[in-house]
Amino acid sequence: VQLEESGGGVVQPGRSLRLSCAASGFTFSSYSVHWVRQAPGKGLEWVALISYDGSKKYYADSVKGRFTISRDNSKSTLYLEMNSLRIEDTAVYYCVRAPTTGHSSSWEWFGPWGQGTLVTVSS
Amino acid sequence: HSVLTQPPSVSGAPGQRVTISCTGSSSNIGAGYDVHWYQQLPGTAPKLLMYSNNNRPSGVPDRFSGSKSGTSASLAITGLQAEDEADYYCQSFDTRLSARVFGGGTKVTVL
Repeated sequence: VQLEESGGGVVQPGRSLRLSCAASGFTFSSYSVHWVRQAPGKGLEWVALISYDGSKKYYADSVKGRFTISRDNSKSTLYLEMNSLRIEDTAVYYCVRAPTTGHSSSWEWFGPWGQGTLVTVSS
Repeated sequence: HSVLTQPPSVSGAPGQRVTISCTGSSSNIGAGYDVHWYQQLPGTAPKLLMYSNNNRPSGVPDRFSGSKSGTSASLAITGLQAEDEADYYCQSFDTRLSARVFGGGTKVTVL
C-alpha cells in the first residue's frame, strides 16, 4: 500500500491550493479515504472523508464550505481543493486510507497513512 | 483544545511500565465508540498501534496493550524500550461533532 501526497507549498491567505494523493498497491476504488492534518508541533486533526465511490463526503467544521474533497478512481487519485486559505490551515496534510472496503463506519480507525505534504499559509 | 484529553508527556526508565490516559465524554467514548491509538515516531507519519480498544495490528509487539472503561481509555507499554520514544495519539468518534476526533497527543520519553 502506498499513498503519495503532493501539491503542498507556500500560499498567501485567501488564496487556493489543490492537494493530490496518488494511491497504489491496492484497489483504490474499493476504499474510502480521508485527509488528516497536523499543524507544526501540534496534534492531529481529521479534515475530510470521501466514500469509495465518491457519493458521500464529510468535512470537519473548521474547513466546511472552504475545502472540497474529491477522487478520480480511474487515476487512483484523491484530491483536496482548499479555498479561502487561512494562516491556521498551515499544516502537514496526510492522505489516509480506511482500513476496510466499502463505506467507512464511524467506528473505524485510520488505516495506512501517506508521508504528508506541507501547506504553509503566510503573507 | 482537543475533544479527547491526554497527558502532554509521560516518561519511564527502560524496562518500566508506563500508561497513557485518554479521557472523553458522553458524546464520544462514553457513547460506546471504540478508541484507537497511533504512534508517531519523530519526523514520520502516524502509524496504527491499537484498534478497537485492545486489538494490536500485525507486527505490533505485545508490550503494548489497550483498555477502555466508561468515558476513558488507556494505553499501556510494558518493558519500555528506547524505540518506544514517540508521540502517541488516541482517536474516537464524536456524535455531537459528527467527526473523528483525536487526543492532543502524549510524548513518551525513555529516561
